[in-house]
Amino acid sequence: DQQVKQNSPSLSVQEGRISILNCDYTNSMFDYFLWYKKYPAEGPTFLISISSIKDKNEDGRFTVFLNKSAKHLSLHIVPSQPGDSAVYFCAARLNTGTASKLTFGTGTRLQVML
Amino acid sequence: KAGVTQTPRYLIKTRGQQVTLSCSPISGHRSVSWYQQTPGQGLQFLFEYFSETQRNKGNFPGRFSGRQFSNSRSEMNVSTLELGDSALYLCASSSIGRTKNTEAFFGQGTRLTVV
Repeated sequence: DQQVKQNSPSLSVQEGRISILNCDYTNSMFDYFLWYKKYPAEGPTFLISISSIKDKNEDGRFTVFLNKSAKHLSLHIVPSQPGDSAVYFCAARLNTGTASKLTFGTGTRLQVML
Repeated sequence: KAGVTQTPRYLIKTRGQQVTLSCSPISGHRSVSWYQQTPGQGLQFLFEYFSETQRNKGNFPGRFSGRQFSNSRSEMNVSTLELGDSALYLCASSSIGRTKNTEAFFGQGTRLTVV
């Protein structure tokens, strides 16, 4: 079962506009959420994270929002730049106290057009 | 500070063979996790090692195994390779502990092709 879902496989946005990437999860025991960016032939690069006790975290052009009641998080990129074109993965951490693992979504390919 | 290093970068094997992939984590990181990435499936968790002990395992068959050495370097082994094992294998290291919230840092991956 897919506990972390990114229902949009792709998204196209004009340069300078806002990009909104969405992610839904089913496991209420996830305690930490992360967004990764991946270019072809490279490993994922950490972007931004949020603890389950918060509802917003901002870092420069990137803001992550968490709605626990809806089990939904989103990544906002403002303004979008051509260099933001990549595949974005959301991930959720299940912390069992002595162990943790990340569960990833299937990714959303963002294309920022000039 | 050096990042996560995975070797080799590319590998071609035939069905039935076995393969060993290597991962050197960031210095000081004791947790190493392995993921498999295939088109349309995202990143699937294989297992996590911490202080030479496997402390978490994903839903993969027993053909997939791993180990961690005292210097935190980790190896992943796949035996009796199948065509469906063709994927990008990613290693991630973190200093994550019981209460510390830190992200996982990924290597560039090993692209395995089974023919």
